[in-house]
Amino acid sequence: GQQLNQSPQSMFIQEGEDVSMNCTSSSIFNTWLWYKQDPGEGPVLLIALYKAGELTSNGRLTAQFGITRKDSFLNISASIPSDVGIYFCAGLKSNFGNEKLTFGTGTRLTIIP
Amino acid sequence: DVKVTQSSRYLVKRTGEKVFLECVQDMDHENMFWYRQDPGLGLRLIYFSYDVKMKEKGDIPEGYSVSREKKERFSLILESASTNQTSMYLCASSTNRVRTLAFNQPQHFGDGTRLSIL
Repeated sequence: GQQLNQSPQSMFIQEGEDVSMNCTSSSIFNTWLWYKQDPGEGPVLLIALYKAGELTSNGRLTAQFGITRKDSFLNISASIPSDVGIYFCAGLKSNFGNEKLTFGTGTRLTIIP
Repeated sequence: DVKVTQSSRYLVKRTGEKVFLECVQDMDHENMFWYRQDPGLGLRLIYFSYDVKMKEKGDIPEGYSVSREKKERFSLILESASTNQTSMYLCASSTNRVRTLAFNQPQHFGDGTRLSIL
């Protein structure tokens, strides 16, 4: 089936550092979504991207829809302790009324005190 | 804010039992979804519904069924629970612009039900 490769699988950083993660696929997507999941809670939508090349920010978070439509990137600037969690990408493929949403396997972010 | 409420945070059941997981959303969303989340596998779609009494299979429907009798409520049913159905179950909802296109708006998730089958 369709695969989304999300990397890195985990990150250990110090507070204040910038973070970068990405999702890649061999397939083209129409929409990219980025979610964050805190421990013991459900995923929460961070950013939605609808157009190739689109760059969207949400506070310290910035995400980009890759120009090839096969990848997306999420950056977090000046990380703080509450950034800890698992970040998921999701790609939506829509084709003549057929839709498929695929989630990445997540990037676990840990901040070292 | 959208509120998606799952009836139980933790549930322990025995092999062979019929298990019901309930989900309610308060934003009049047309679409509702059930996922399971397992380490290293991400979120996998079990079933979804884009309208009352409508249901569609997701990627892993085997061993599960669903019920959508009211717009706000979407139930996941494990007909005869097995140990390989031990997992975190997540419910989600979304609105839609075009009926039958269930995925074109971002989904809002509940906090999950951690189900253990002994």
